[in-house]
Amino acid sequence: NAGVTQTPKFQVLKTGQSMTLQCAQDMNHEYMSWYRQDPGMGLRLIHYSVGAGITDQGEVPNGYNVSRSTTEDFPLRLLSAAPSQTSVYFCASSYVAGPGELFFGEGSRLTVL
Amino acid sequence: AQSVTQPDIHITVSEGASLELRCNYSYGATPYLFWYVQSPGQGLQLLLKYFSGDTLVQGIKGFEAEFKRSQSSFNLRKPSVHWSDAAEYFCAASYGNKLVFGAGTILRVKS
Repeated sequence: NAGVTQTPKFQVLKTGQSMTLQCAQDMNHEYMSWYRQDPGMGLRLIHYSVGAGITDQGEVPNGYNVSRSTTEDFPLRLLSAAPSQTSVYFCASSYVAGPGELFFGEGSRLTVL
Repeated sequence: AQSVTQPDIHITVSEGASLELRCNYSYGATPYLFWYVQSPGQGLQLLLKYFSGDTLVQGIKGFEAEFKRSQSSFNLRKPSVHWSDAAEYFCAASYGNKLVFGAGTILRVKS
């Protein structure tokens, strides 16, 4: 039972570099989302998708892009990394179109120097 | 804007003592409400959820939560805490297609 799989688990970038955090789920969930977790701030929603081909912004979308070409995959792209994007990123999915019970990946720790 | 408030950043309880973690959501139509737990270095795991109906909901690991509409609260409780309950706890509320989390409460358990 893979559930929600995130790669990579750790990444160090230099300011200005680009990268993609991968997220895949094998539960046929319609809803997928990306959060960032920072100390004392809980989890903040970056982007979400209610199905293939449909994405929307969350609370903190600036600096991040997403796409949803398949039900299974929801990659998060950083086009030009900044130190403020140093964080732990979580991908989560849910069976229902709106966020019911979210199933989380194990997280990706990103450091931007 | 919709928000979820967890007023306690840290809580320390003795093993075997009772526990209550507070959560308030912003006023408006009652959202779906959740409590998640996060152990160090791990993702989040759902403890319990409230959609409608009985305002006292039971979850896993002996946790329960009570929804109080008049106070816009959804507090988490456990009658007797175990050392393995030490973790960070997050309250969350769904508003439409968005799930909004509180800042979290770190629970420390002393023996």
